[in-house]
Amino acid sequence: DAGVIQSPRHEVTEMGQEVTLRCKPISGHNSLFWYRQTMMRGLELLIYFNNNVPIDDSGMPEDRFSAKMPNASFSTLKIQPSEPRDSAVYFCASRLFGSSTDTQYFGPGTRLTVL
Amino acid sequence: TQLLEQSPQFLSIQEGENLTVYCNSSSVFSSLQWYRQEPGEGPVLLVTVVTGGEVKKLKRLTFQFGDARKDSSLHITAAQPGDTGLYLCAGAKDSNYQLIWGAGTKLIIKP
Repeated sequence: DAGVIQSPRHEVTEMGQEVTLRCKPISGHNSLFWYRQTMMRGLELLIYFNNNVPIDDSGMPEDRFSAKMPNASFSTLKIQPSEPRDSAVYFCASRLFGSSTDTQYFGPGTRLTVL
Repeated sequence: TQLLEQSPQFLSIQEGENLTVYCNSSSVFSSLQWYRQEPGEGPVLLVTVVTGGEVKKLKRLTFQFGDARKDSSLHITAAQPGDTGLYLCAGAKDSNYQLIWGAGTKLIIKP
């Protein structure tokens, strides 16, 4: 079975440009998470969806960040305009909420570099 | 505020040695998970502990949940180079919500 799929794997852009990161969760999973990982701050939760509805976006840094989940099989994280401090690895994870293990399955991440 | 403190932050040891990584908090968790992350990949779940005092073994890895469910440890016996990676602990405050993550322990096992 395919795991969580993220694209692109690497993104290099210039400050001020719009960046869109994409995620396809594991089929059948009903929760989706967007994380950001940096050396300084570790793994930070940005936003959490349950059944395509945003439940908690308190981790979204500021209005430049937005996330959508139009259906159960696709989500995007958009940064507009991007800044150098947004450089990080962005992970998407999905889980089957209510399962006995409640495991989060992570994608391979998107390494974003903003010049 | 870092609710889950991991120690050490970095550990480099020789193959064959034993090691312990700690995950501590002043908060009580309903469960605690340990993940391992390799370079260029996302974290992968190793184990979930739920009951205070619970001990789980995964080959050479032994995981323990504190009696009060505020802390956990990961012990590796006879470490191998394949154990190299970033080890993350993550606690759940309740079953409905996201995990609270530790900062991670970067482990390097030298051949």
